[in-house]
Amino acid sequence: AQSVTQLDSHVSVSEGTPVLLRCNYSSSYSPSLFWYVQHPNKGLQLLLKYTSAATLVKGINGFEAEFKKSETSFHLTKPSAHMSDAAEYFCVVMKTSYDKVIFGPGTSLSVIP
Amino acid sequence: SAVISQKPSRDICQRGTSLTIQCQVDSQVTMMFWYRQQPGQSLTLIATANQGSEATYESGFVIDKFPISRPNLTFSTLTVSNMSPEDSSIYLCSVGGLSEEQYFGPGTRLTVT
Repeated sequence: AQSVTQLDSHVSVSEGTPVLLRCNYSSSYSPSLFWYVQHPNKGLQLLLKYTSAATLVKGINGFEAEFKKSETSFHLTKPSAHMSDAAEYFCVVMKTSYDKVIFGPGTSLSVIP
Repeated sequence: SAVISQKPSRDICQRGTSLTIQCQVDSQVTMMFWYRQQPGQSLTLIATANQGSEATYESGFVIDKFPISRPNLTFSTLTVSNMSPEDSSIYLCSVGGLSEEQYFGPGTRLTVT
């Protein structure tokens, strides 16, 4: 069975400070992992994905995530938050080739000017 | 990437009625997915709709309640049947990319009164 936990339902940071959104997963096989972002009243957009290549994955808009198998984590980071980063972020685990796709509960990111 | 449109963008329906949601993609794709996002919640996969085969439903979703059609490689419909207020959600379609990523439509916001 698979599951995804996003440890913080809401994160608030000041503009220009680092962002850390935490994701832990449980899977009995080597999953593919994704981060998606959902801006208010906009569709979901892929930020980045891990599919068993490099453990440090770079995505769009300066985001990156590191896959740590020993910790079953896939935390999302950004060195410096921008106001436009305020959105809902979803960590997603997938068994393989679109099998057993599970979205995490989401983390709402607020950026304070 | 793929550009996905959905119709209608929103609707208010009376309980006991049905609504059919359309999903149109600007390119031919094999895999299409339908999700539900209840108010303030994460996404839950309803079913996978591959052209040329019956839709595959996730646990807790049945064909009688959510019949799906996939007549060609660019189009799919999801019907929400015999609606109740609990069906009030955002319904999203997505398509599978070349590397296990998904591209999402803007969603259909359904309110059942």
